[in-house]
Amino acid sequence: GAVVSQHPSRVICKSGTSVKIECRSLDFQATTMFWYRQFPKQSLMLMATSNEGSKATYEQGVEKDKFLINHASLTLSTLTVTSAHPEDSSFYICSALAGFTDTQYFGPGTRLTVL
Amino acid sequence: GENVEQHPSTLSVQEGDSAVIKCTYSDSASNYFPWYKQELGKRPQLIIDIRSNVGEKKDQRIAVTLNKTAKHFSLHITETQPEDSAVYFCAASRQAAGNKLTFGGGTRVLVKP
Repeated sequence: GAVVSQHPSRVICKSGTSVKIECRSLDFQATTMFWYRQFPKQSLMLMATSNEGSKATYEQGVEKDKFLINHASLTLSTLTVTSAHPEDSSFYICSALAGFTDTQYFGPGTRLTVL
Repeated sequence: GENVEQHPSTLSVQEGDSAVIKCTYSDSASNYFPWYKQELGKRPQLIIDIRSNVGEKKDQRIAVTLNKTAKHFSLHITETQPEDSAVYFCAASRQAAGNKLTFGGGTRVLVKP
């Protein structure tokens, strides 16, 4: 149980375009999902908390107009990187909070490369 | 906000030896402390966790200890195997803060056969 999927696993895009990443909890409902960013050989940095049916809460320094988050259902949250630039290239990982255990389960990540 | 520090950043051990990773946290209200293992390019996987009402927890070769007074917790891996080689992250959170995890910087563990 507690499986989280993420799509796509890899994406390469041109500078200035937008990219949408989906995060799904497959066998449980998640009222809260989290989005992280991880640069090579570094730790996970929380970008935002996504709550079903309400606006996302962004961490300090994260531009909410650049990283759009939508949590439209109890099993799906999306992150859209708008007007992507090479410095946005990173490994983006979502997690879903399994309410029955208060434990976060992570998706497999999306490697974004902006040319 | 919460700050989690993790040491060492790299750890090399001989197969069969034990590995210990230590973390300290700053927010005395934190009450949940998970440990994740991440292999290169893969998702972090929960290997063990502990809550603040428990001082120690063990699962086969893995154990975690928590000292609330000193605000530190440790991961112990016994009888290490080459497949234990990975990056390990500690984290801390508290329910009142929406269960947001603050991660340590990670420890790269290499188990030499």
